[in-house]
Amino acid sequence: KAGVTQTPRYLIKTRGQQVTLSCSPISGHRSVSWYQQTPGQGLQFLFEYFSETQRNKGNFPGRFSGRQFSNSRSEMNVSTLELGDSALYLCASSYSTGGRVETQYFGPGTRLLVL
Amino acid sequence: GQQVMQIPQYQHVQEGEDFTTYCNSSTTLSNIQWYKQRPGGHPVFLIQLVKSGEVKKQKRLTFQFGEAKKNSSLHITATQTTDVGTYFCAGYGGATNKLIFGTGTLLAVQP
Repeated sequence: KAGVTQTPRYLIKTRGQQVTLSCSPISGHRSVSWYQQTPGQGLQFLFEYFSETQRNKGNFPGRFSGRQFSNSRSEMNVSTLELGDSALYLCASSYSTGGRVETQYFGPGTRLLVL
Repeated sequence: GQQVMQIPQYQHVQEGEDFTTYCNSSTTLSNIQWYKQRPGGHPVFLIQLVKSGEVKKQKRLTFQFGEAKKNSSLHITATQTTDVGTYFCAGYGGATNKLIFGTGTLLAVQP
């Protein structure tokens, strides 16, 4: 099976702009989670989508949003970018049968730099 | 909110030495997962522990889940340069359905 793919791999944006990141999960996985990774804060949970519905949400401002499509592909959007949004954004898919995700399979990440 | 701390933050060992990282949660965990992230890479799942006091081994790696299900450890015997990376624990705690990652331990192995 193909792994989790994320596009783009690298992005440079300026403050105030918005950005959309894409994630294609492993075939058959219905859960997609997003994480922000920075050297200072580690891996921070953004949100999780399951069957096109946001099932869980982390403690991030409303500028961070996401959605999931019927084919389980997911997008994450960050509006009004701030310098502090510079990070590696990781997507992880999981074959989730119940209310919780099981093993997380991570994609390579999108490295976002905000200038 | 729930916090998962790992110690040490960083450890530098000589190849062949043992290494242990500890994971401590502020709340009881229903399970614990361990991931490894190589430099420049993404986290890769290693193992999941579910039962209180459970111990699992993968070659030179030994994983343990505490009796109270609030802590866990990963022990590597006779480290190799291929063990370099950051090790994260992650778990579900309390009423939340969010998988919370620990702060991570960066392991450096000197040949």
